[in-house]
Amino acid sequence: KQEVTQIPAALSVPEGENLVLNCSFTDSAIYNLQWFRQDPGKGLTSLLLIQSSQREQTSGRLNASLDKSSGRSTLYIAASQPGDSTTYLCASPVPFGSGTRLQVQP
Amino acid sequence: NAGVMQNPRHLVRRRGQEARLRCSPMKGHSHVYWYRQLPEEGLKFMVYLQKENIIDESGMPKERFSAEFPKEGPSILRIQQVVRGDSAAYFCASSPRQTINQPQHFGDGTRLSIL
Repeated sequence: KQEVTQIPAALSVPEGENLVLNCSFTDSAIYNLQWFRQDPGKGLTSLLLIQSSQREQTSGRLNASLDKSSGRSTLYIAASQPGDSTTYLCASPVPFGSGTRLQVQP
Repeated sequence: NAGVMQNPRHLVRRRGQEARLRCSPMKGHSHVYWYRQLPEEGLKFMVYLQKENIIDESGMPKERFSAEFPKEGPSILRIQQVVRGDSAAYFCASSPRQTINQPQHFGDGTRLSIL
């Protein structure tokens, strides 16, 4: 049974700092891995989708990597901004991790 | 192209009543997924449906919960005889095909409160 873990559960950084969010999964036989942001009271917004055959995906200031052999994915956020403050979820595609709550301080 | 539409956004029920949550997938999407997010917890998969078929209901509670996705109309998640523990946010997602190569697109969710 697949288990997905996200570390840290919460993170606070000053504006402009680069940061990394971690996602680990127990079953390497995944089809894809998706990163989302979940804003309060809203649904999920897909940020990046990495297919199982890919190693990374980039969109703007975001870069997600996938290492199936180690069961890990990372989401790298460059030059963080206050608007990046939200909860980030990874999914393999099911189950979801419990999320990392990011607070970027201006 | 409208996104995934869920209604109602908020639903209040008393214990013992029935709750019906609706999800209209994105145009052209024939796969629907339901998730539940309990307070302070991550999203948990409930059920995966295609038109007129339940593909995977491994996350559905054995009693009181049912889901359908008819040939016409939205997908419905039905909770009978609701209890306080059913209070949660319920999210629906859709994809054009099985999600192996397709991202899921999410609705804004229905927040269910049980009095």
